[in-house]
Amino acid sequence: AQTVTQSQPEMSVQEAETVTLSCTYDTSESDYYLFWYKQPPSRQMILVIRQEAYKQQNATENRFSVNFQKAAKSFSLKISDSQLGDAAMYFCAYRSASGLGGSEKLVFGKGTKLTVNP
Amino acid sequence: DGGITQSPKYLFRKEGQNVTLSCEQNLNHDAMYWYRQDPGQGLRLIYYSQIVNDFQKGDIAEGYSVSREKKESFPLTVTSAQKNPTAFYLCASTRDGFTGELFFGEGSRLTVL
Repeated sequence: AQTVTQSQPEMSVQEAETVTLSCTYDTSESDYYLFWYKQPPSRQMILVIRQEAYKQQNATENRFSVNFQKAAKSFSLKISDSQLGDAAMYFCAYRSASGLGGSEKLVFGKGTKLTVNP
Repeated sequence: DGGITQSPKYLFRKEGQNVTLSCEQNLNHDAMYWYRQDPGQGLRLIYYSQIVNDFQKGDIAEGYSVSREKKESFPLTVTSAQKNPTAFYLCASTRDGFTGELFFGEGSRLTVL
């Protein structure tokens, strides 16, 4: 079974600075999807960014970008020019693209709590 | 606006009582999911459904039941058999059950007194 590990339970960053959140995953598959979700204090999960494993180019969404290292099974999230509204729990998630049983599910890491200091 | 509506947001239950959490979506999504969130545990999958009248157990299905009689609705019942039901419950849906990202509701907080 696939697993997702977020080794940093908590991180903090100064406003306007850059922070990187780590995520590693374990899989024997070659085709899959990776996601970063944000959960602000309101508790509603919001998709931040998505990466297809077959794409070598790292995904970018405005101030959010990823460093996808397929061989190392690493998928880190970089937040540039951090803002107070970025304070939240961030979850890394994996989804198989095999189309076989079980690939319907997203597997989540345990999350990283990000604090943004003014 | 399209979205996922979960109700109630907060629910208190006495031990031994069953309780049903509602999840409705108007996104025309085929697949729907229930996750449980506990502090330090991340999100754990309870049940999911790819199509109407069909659903599958997730990783922690014991003590829970679901139904999928309509495409828009996927209610979760927390039964008295669930030994530690106090948690935050999240419902999600996706257009494509195999490749799409999940869209989430705002969640329901269940507290057992």
